[in-house]
Amino acid sequence: SQQGEEDPQALSIQEGENATMNCSYKTSINNLQWYRQNSGRGLVHLILIRSNEREKHSGRLRVTLDTSKKSSSLLITASRAADTASYFCATPRANQAGTALIFGKGTTLSVSS
Amino acid sequence: DAGVIQSPRHEVTEMGQEVTLRCKPISGHNSLFWYRQTMMRGLELLIYFNNNVPIDDSGMPEDRFSAKMPNASFSTLKIQPSEPRDSAVYFCASSFSGLAGQAGELFFGEGSRLTVL
Repeated sequence: SQQGEEDPQALSIQEGENATMNCSYKTSINNLQWYRQNSGRGLVHLILIRSNEREKHSGRLRVTLDTSKKSSSLLITASRAADTASYFCATPRANQAGTALIFGKGTTLSVSS
Repeated sequence: DAGVIQSPRHEVTEMGQEVTLRCKPISGHNSLFWYRQTMMRGLELLIYFNNNVPIDDSGMPEDRFSAKMPNASFSTLKIQPSEPRDSAVYFCASSFSGLAGQAGELFFGEGSRLTVL
């Protein structure tokens, strides 16, 4: 079963604009991760935010986490054509023996020049 | 450093045939995950291993699917017999899991695209 759900499903913007993607999840988490997938490739880790953090930056990426609303957002500033990809949030699902990441269905971002 | 290596990258097979997908995780990683990606269902977790031991196989769709990890540097996902609805991209990912309950960063392979006719 999926834990995180991204919104919107698809987003089209022009180069230079900002792109915001949202993720909602259902259960308590200790961290949330964002990944990127270029067409035909594997997923690549972008950023991890812990439950005691509210905001985190990495280059042109800004991630927020609101544990009271069970939601996170990924902001890409000054987007470039090379940012065209699918973006996924992932949350941990733990049992007594281990922890796995569960992914949402992703937001497909298209940046046109 | 070599990343996660998957083979084959593409496989086309006939319904009823056995399919074996292979994965070599990053050296030093102690967790390995198999995911399946389709347009309809997104990225689904099939099974994962910690220290070569299967931890959760609740995502394996049917008995036709099996996975093994005989050592820290190799895992297989087998489908026997294959069906057209198994057509998907299968990803292997590895990570180093330290603290209990903490999910570390996953490193994904490039995937194996399976088409069952």
